[in-house]
Amino acid sequence: NAGVTQTPKFRILKIGQSMTLQCTQDMNHNYMYWYRQDPGMGLKLIYYSVGAGITDKGEVPNGYNVSRSTTEDFPLRLELAAPSQTSVYFCASSRSDYGYTFGSGTRLTVV
Amino acid sequence: EDKVVQSPLSLVVHEGDTVTLNCSYEVTNFRSLLWYKQEKKAPTFLFMLTSSGIEKKSGRLSSILDKKELFSILNITATQTGDSAIYLCAVERPAGGTSYGKLTFGQGTILTVHP
Repeated sequence: NAGVTQTPKFRILKIGQSMTLQCTQDMNHNYMYWYRQDPGMGLKLIYYSVGAGITDKGEVPNGYNVSRSTTEDFPLRLELAAPSQTSVYFCASSRSDYGYTFGSGTRLTVV
Repeated sequence: EDKVVQSPLSLVVHEGDTVTLNCSYEVTNFRSLLWYKQEKKAPTFLFMLTSSGIEKKSGRLSSILDKKELFSILNITATQTGDSAIYLCAVERPAGGTSYGKLTFGQGTILTVHP
């Protein structure tokens, strides 16, 4: 049982490049989330999904897009990378009545 | 806007000390308060608190929630160097409507335990 799997673990992007952060969970959780964590700050919600085909914006959605075509997968897309998107990104999932399970994170640097 | 504030922001102690970490919150709808421990990678779940006054305990860690005063504390007794980590507090909104179990996190408390 792998839990929540994120790839890649590290990535360096140039300004204006695009990339997709992958997130997969094998726990059949309905709810999935993308957070970013900046130094000295708590986690901030980017997007979330309550089930396949349903997504909604969190606190800091600008510059990102998501899709949820299956229960298992919740990729996060950066279309035009900016230095302000340098951060650590965490994907998480939950059932409606249990605590969250987090992925191991993706450290992204935009130069 | 939901708000979660943790204190202190950082704490340095020696092995064997007891520490108390604080979390206060202001939320429009409350379902639960969660504590996480974050070492080098992803946060790991410690406790979920939903009711006031009921202490949750796991080994040397314990936590309690006060829904009237809107705060929670996390206690760690007989600290060890392995307790060094960032401790995150988060408040969860209930599912339903447009809010589906979303978490709002505090800034975290950085705990350093010296041998």
